[in-house]
Amino acid sequence: GAVVSQHPSRVICKSGTSVKIECRSLDFQATTMFWYRQFPKQSLMLMATSNEGSKATYEQGVEKDKFLINHASLTLSTLTVTSAHPEDSSFYICSAGLGRSDTQYFGPGTRLTVL
Amino acid sequence: GQSLEQPSEVTAVEGAIVQINCTYQTSGFYGLSWYQQHDGGAPTFLSYNALDGLEETGRFSSFLSRSDSYGYLLLQELQMKDSASYFCSHTGKLIFGQGTTLQVKP
Repeated sequence: GAVVSQHPSRVICKSGTSVKIECRSLDFQATTMFWYRQFPKQSLMLMATSNEGSKATYEQGVEKDKFLINHASLTLSTLTVTSAHPEDSSFYICSAGLGRSDTQYFGPGTRLTVL
Repeated sequence: GQSLEQPSEVTAVEGAIVQINCTYQTSGFYGLSWYQQHDGGAPTFLSYNALDGLEETGRFSSFLSRSDSYGYLLLQELQMKDSASYFCSHTGKLIFGQGTTLQVKP
């Protein structure tokens, strides 16, 4: 089956710093990857669609200047949380599939804690 | 609006059968997917229904009725390891229900 990895799995940072999270599809090429945020005991909320070779598409209410997404290759997408604040503390998960209508394969997630 | 509704919690005993329902209100419907998420982990794909009817995958089955905007996940021969959260999802829109926490008791 399709394997998606994320790095780091856990990160703790000080308020005001930036954090980069990597998402890789290990055994298939993903022209599209998706980034989600999940708060404790809540559902997954789609933040943005990462498109290889073009700009990301952000969901309503998600600040594109705060959550920078780069899809440099068919196997790598990065999410950078800029000037992180405690309210950005959450579980960030990426997924990949052949498209939005395809089965999504999720990465293991990155737990971000901003002090 | 676009939303998926599912019960917040379900409790059952080992060996039993449990059904987790999902009703949806959404436009541009492609199909209903189900995911399992253990505490602290990432969601894993369980099942997908694009057409009406029952899809069976081992102990897990999923059902869809497009005319009723309704689907369910059926878990049979419950095991302790099935204790997790289960999410229905609008395939295509990537909208998830709030999740159902299943607790399997001995």
